[in-house]
Amino acid sequence: ETGVTQTPRHLVMGMTNKKSLKCEQHLGHNAMYWYKQSAKKPLELMFVYSLEERVENNSVPSRFSPECPNSSHLFLHLHTLQPEDSALYLCASSQDMEVDGANVLTFGAGSRLTVL
Amino acid sequence: AQSVTQPDIHITVSEGASLELRCNYSYGATPYLFWYVQSPGQGLQLLLKYFSGDTLVQGIKGFEAEFKRSQSSFNLRKPSVHWSDAAEYFCAVVPYSSASKIIFGSGTRLSIRP
Repeated sequence: ETGVTQTPRHLVMGMTNKKSLKCEQHLGHNAMYWYKQSAKKPLELMFVYSLEERVENNSVPSRFSPECPNSSHLFLHLHTLQPEDSALYLCASSQDMEVDGANVLTFGAGSRLTVL
Repeated sequence: AQSVTQPDIHITVSEGASLELRCNYSYGATPYLFWYVQSPGQGLQLLLKYFSGDTLVQGIKGFEAEFKRSQSSFNLRKPSVHWSDAAEYFCAVVPYSSASKIIFGSGTRLSIRP
């Protein structure tokens, strides 16, 4: 496999469920990101990991819990979500945190989450 | 604060017609600039990027963009669109060279009229 792979592609959960989203990158990148994409809103950066250390946490509610066990895998653990959390969750990776001509974000296809 | 504006929420063009999608940014210096495309049910794919040098940059799928410092713009163009170009297009700015600081516009949805 190549690129950034996200599973599951679709997830429906109740507000009391606990589920997880998984992201795997096969690019040898050192930085990984979670974004939230809601209808009619710009992409929102949620979390950033660099070399498995969390470097950004943009005021995300605690019902979202990220985990980065190694530089190739990133999880987003979900519990007691609200209907307004329904969105497309995108994972991305980059070689490292520094943007230059060769180092850009590569995105996965996303996990479509619906909270009932 | 830095921002990216895509003034057109939805554009429809006929197949074979030319296309221009607008992007304006607010930032004191020259940022790094990107255009991404998102097909239905997919993630974002990089179309092209501007870092320095020639202000007209070529990308994939026949797209190009021109950086105009005086207008703080980075508009995306294609001389002849194909039905497969129907997608959402996002302009993005990185003002501080850190990938965690990238700012995306709200997107422009492109529809193609047969």
